[in-house]
Parts: sequence; structure tokens; C-alpha cells
Amino acid sequence: EAGVTQFPSHSVIEKGQTVTLRCDPISGHDNLYWYRRVMGKEIKFLLHFVKESKQDESGMPNNRFLAERTGGTYSTLKVQPAELEDSGVYFCASSPRQGAYTGELFFGEGSRLTVL
Amino acid sequence: AQSVTQPDIHITVSEGASLELRCNYSYGATPYLFWYVQSPGQGLQLLLKYFSGDTLVQGIKGFEAEFKRSQSSFNLRKPSVHWSDAAEYFCAAYNNNDMRFGAGTRLTVKP
Repeated sequence: EAGVTQFPSHSVIEKGQTVTLRCDPISGHDNLYWYRRVMGKEIKFLLHFVKESKQDESGMPNNRFLAERTGGTYSTLKVQPAELEDSGVYFCASSPRQGAYTGELFFGEGSRLTVL
Repeated sequence: AQSVTQPDIHITVSEGASLELRCNYSYGATPYLFWYVQSPGQGLQLLLKYFSGDTLVQGIKGFEAEFKRSQSSFNLRKPSVHWSDAAEYFCAAYNNNDMRFGAGTRLTVKP
């Protein structure tokens, strides 16, 4: 069974540019989460999808971040325009429906974003 | 506010030595507790979890963790560290749809 996959693994862009990160969850997982880790800090929650609906987006830092989950399958996270403080590692995680009640998540390898 | 604290940013141990990584949580009610590991170039992998019951939980790769309610702690232990254990370790707590992580502890293993 394929795990959670994320693309790109590393992206280097200049301030003001746009970047789109993609996450493919484990097939059949209804729950999809985005997290971010800024260097040396804790992994912080960004948002949670249940299928195609945003269940909780309280962690999204501002309106420069836009997340979508087309048809309840893969998800994209767009940052437009990117700022220096957006640099970090963006993790995607998924879980089956019952996972929402146990918190057990399956993580991708992360997408490292560097904004110059 | 709910939070997870890992007091040690970086720990170095010799191969074969014992290991303990500390984790404290601050929650109104006891959350579900997890330890994840991230090896270089890999995603976060679940080591073990505590939901309820026996306070000593066994995980993969020879790791175990002990839940202590009185200390609000969930420390990770391994009796004998292997060089392949060098990685970053994250403690996490889940309650009411809210999953929070500590800042991580980086483990270096000396030959």
C-alpha cells in the first residue's frame, strides 16, 4: 500500500512568488491534514479536511495560504505571494475515518520550502 | 493553553547506552499521546501511542514509553541505542480533534 506522498520535496523561490505544494493521501483516507514546521520549532497544525470539506482551518496563518482538496482525493496548498517567514517544512498527513477519533496519523516526507 | 513540551532540543548518547527522551503535556483532560520519529529523508513514523490502560506502552524498534499522570509526562525510553536510532523524535498529544506536537528532540548516536 502506498503511503502519503508529497511533491515537491524541496522548493526554493523568491519572496513574492507563488508555490503550490501537493499531497496525495493514502487511498481511502477521508481525513487529510496539513502541518508546518518552521526551523527548530514545533510542528504546527494548519488545517484539516474531511473528504473535500474543510473541517478546521484555524491554523492557517493568513489569507496568502489557500488549501484545496479536489474530489476528496489529493490536496494542494498554495502560498501566494510567499514571504520569508513562510520558509519551513510542510507536512501532510492522512488517516482513515476512525483515525479522527484516535489521532493516529500517517505522515508524508514533507515539502521543504525556502523563500529567499 | 494546551501544549506539549520537549525540554531537550538535542541529546547525544553512545551506541549501546540507554536513552530517555522527555515529554510533558499541558491539557485539561488526559489526551491521547504519541511518539513519532523522523529519520533523515523520511516522513514521520509512529513509534508508539497511549490511549488508556497500561501506563507502560511498547512500540516498534525496541522503544517504550511510560505515561505518568501525576507528572503529566510521557517519556520515551530505549535500553540500548543503536546507531540507526539517530533521528529526530516528536512527542504529540491529541484531544478533541486537536493534535499538538512538541518542538522535537534530535538524537545523535556516538560510535
